[in-house]
Amino acid sequence: GQNIDQPTEMTATEGAIVQINCTYQTSGFNGLFWYQQHAGEAPTFLSYNVLDGLEEKGRFSSFLSRSKGYSYLLLKELQMKDSASYLCAVMDSNYQLIWGAGTKLIIKP
Amino acid sequence: DVKVTQSSRYLVKRTGEKVFLECVQDMDHENMFWYRQDPGLGLRLIYFSYDVKMKEKGDIPEGYSVSREKKERFSLILESASTNQTSMYLCASSVGQGDTDTQYFGPGTRLTVL
Repeated sequence: GQNIDQPTEMTATEGAIVQINCTYQTSGFNGLFWYQQHAGEAPTFLSYNVLDGLEEKGRFSSFLSRSKGYSYLLLKELQMKDSASYLCAVMDSNYQLIWGAGTKLIIKP
Repeated sequence: DVKVTQSSRYLVKRTGEKVFLECVQDMDHENMFWYRQDPGLGLRLIYFSYDVKMKEKGDIPEGYSVSREKKERFSLILESASTNQTSMYLCASSVGQGDTDTQYFGPGTRLTVL
């Protein structure tokens, strides 16, 4: 079966760095997405990786290793507004998105 | 900016009622999707559509149907609502370009079935 695993919840301190991991087992791979979802709101797109390596976008970076079925989202200089759930999703061989359950990130002052 | 709107943010219905959830996108996207989101579970795909009048079953289509009469509008129908359909329903759309196809989401409808 297809499976996406990410931690349920993480806590970090304002101004610090946090890494949210995602491991996946899917039938085929056509890219990995990260979305941010604030409580009660819609998910919003953060990043897309299809090749191995690190993609940097401001305070957020996303890394992919296809051979290990592994990705992480790195958030630097954490701000209180970064408190949200972070969803990992993999596009399989049928171009369907398989979603993880999300990681709830709590930022403390 | 892509805009995806959903007809209601909150909805309360009774068991057995027929429920219509509407979704409209304004970016001429080919693809539209309906998901439900429940605590501790990932987004689960109910139905999707790649073109007008076209629909495909997702992972959990039972108890639901859809309609796409116009490109910009994708409706989700609960034929006879049940309490286990209490959930957050999210609509999404995408351009339709294969592997780089980013989905854009509406604000969601939180449906409670009593």
